[in-house]
Amino acid sequence: KAGVTQTPRYLIKTRGQQVTLSCSPISGHRSVSWYQQTPGQGLQFLFEYFSETQRNKGNFPGRFSGRQFSNSRSEMNVSTLELGDSALYLCASSLASGSTGELFFGEGSRLTVL
Amino acid sequence: GENVEQHPSTLSVQEGDSAVIKCTYSDSASNYFPWYKQELGKGPQLIIDIRSNVGEKKDQRIAVTLNKTAKHFSLHITETQPEDSAVYFCAASRGGGSQGNLIFGKGTKLSVKP
Repeated sequence: KAGVTQTPRYLIKTRGQQVTLSCSPISGHRSVSWYQQTPGQGLQFLFEYFSETQRNKGNFPGRFSGRQFSNSRSEMNVSTLELGDSALYLCASSLASGSTGELFFGEGSRLTVL
Repeated sequence: GENVEQHPSTLSVQEGDSAVIKCTYSDSASNYFPWYKQELGKGPQLIIDIRSNVGEKKDQRIAVTLNKTAKHFSLHITETQPEDSAVYFCAASRGGGSQGNLIFGKGTKLSVKP
C-alpha cells in the first residue's frame, strides 16, 4: 500500500512569488492535514480537509490556502512568499477526520524562500 | 486553547542507556496523547499513544506514562540503540472532529552514541 506522497520534495522561490504543493493521501483516506515545520517550532497546524471541505484552519495568514479534490488529493498554496515561509511543509492523511486517530505523514516539501 | 511543553529539546545518551522525554499539557480535558518519531529526511511516524483511561502503556522497548492529575506524560525508551536517534514529538488532544485539535510539542532531538 503506497504511503502519502508529496511533491515537489524541494523547491526554491524568491520573495513575492507564490507556490503550490501537492499531497496524495493513502488510498481510502479522506482526511488530509497540512503542517508547517520549522526548527524550534515543532509542527504547526495549517488546515485540514475532509471530503473536499476545510474542517479547521490554524493561526496562519490568509496567504496560506488549500483545497481538496474529489479523489482526496490536496494542494496548498502560499502567495506573496516571505523569507519566514521557509520551512518543511508536511501533509498527513487519516481515515477519518478527528484528532484521536493515527496520522500518516508524507516526507514533506522543503521550501526555501530567498 | 491547549498548550504542550516538551523537555528536553535535545538529549544525548550512550547506547544501551535509557532515555526519558517529558511533556506537560494545559487542557485538563485532553484525553489522547500520541508520540511521533521523525527520522532524518522522513515524516513523523506514530510509535505509541495512550488514552486518558490508562496510566501506562508499553510496546517492547518503549513505554508511555500518563499522570492526569499533574497533566504530564512521558516517553521512556530502554536499551537505546543508534536507530533510536531521531526527533520525537509528543502531542495532546481533547478530541473533536478536526486534526487541528491535536497540539504538538516542539520536539526532542535524541542522539544515541554507539
